[in-house]
Amino acid sequence: GPKVLQIPSHQIIDMGQMVTLNCDPVSNHLYFYWYKQILGQQMEFLVNFYNGKVMEKSKLFKDQFSVERPDGSYFTLKIQPTALEDSAVYFCASRVGQANTEVFFGKGTRLTVV
Amino acid sequence: QQNVQQSPESLIVPEGARTSLNCTFSDSASQYFWWYRQHSGKAPKALMSIFSNGEKEEGRFTIHLNKASLHFSLHIRDSQPSDSALYLCAVRARTGKLTFGDGTVLTVKP
Repeated sequence: GPKVLQIPSHQIIDMGQMVTLNCDPVSNHLYFYWYKQILGQQMEFLVNFYNGKVMEKSKLFKDQFSVERPDGSYFTLKIQPTALEDSAVYFCASRVGQANTEVFFGKGTRLTVV
Repeated sequence: QQNVQQSPESLIVPEGARTSLNCTFSDSASQYFWWYRQHSGKAPKALMSIFSNGEKEEGRFTIHLNKASLHFSLHIRDSQPSDSALYLCAVRARTGKLTFGDGTVLTVKP
C-alpha cells in the first residue's frame, strides 16, 4: 500500500538545540499531519497542513514548533529550541483528498531530548 | 474541542472469543469514524471506517455507529493472537482534523 516515509527513525538531541523531523508523504496526497505519541499510548494531534498552510493546530503545537513543505518536497516539523518534554515518537501522516479517505501514517521518529 | 474516549483501557480474551471495543465522542458534527490498529513499534494502520449510522462488516470485523448516542464500536469475531495490538478509534471533523482516543490494548491468549 501507499507509504509515508519518515527520516530518521530515531534522533537524540541536546535540550535547547534545534531538530528537524522529515517526512516524505505519499506522492499524490494533499493533506498532511503531525502527531505526538508518548509511551505507545495516546496519539495526540499537533497540526494539519494543506496547500502550503497550517489548517489547524492544537495547544501542544507550541511556539517553538513550525511546519513547512518547501517546493512540494519533504514535509518537515522543526522544534527550536527543544525541551525535555518534547521527547516522544512523532508520526507524520497524509491523505489524498477531502472525502472519507484513509489517513496513512509513517513509522514515526523517536525523538529523545537529553 | 473534540473529546474522544475509549473503553476498556485494556482487554485480555481467549483465542476464538468475540471482542468489543468502544469509543465515545463529543462533537455531534463529526463526519467520519475510524478504527486503527497499531502493533508495538509500528505505524498505526487503518482497519475500517463508517460515516452513517448503522453497521458495516469486513471479514471478522464489524463497526457500529450511533451518532445520536455519540458512540461507535468495533467488534472482532473469532479473535486471533495476531489481533493483539493497541486499537485506536479516531474521529474526523469537517476541518480534516483527526482526533484519536487514548487506546485499548487488546491481548488475545492462544
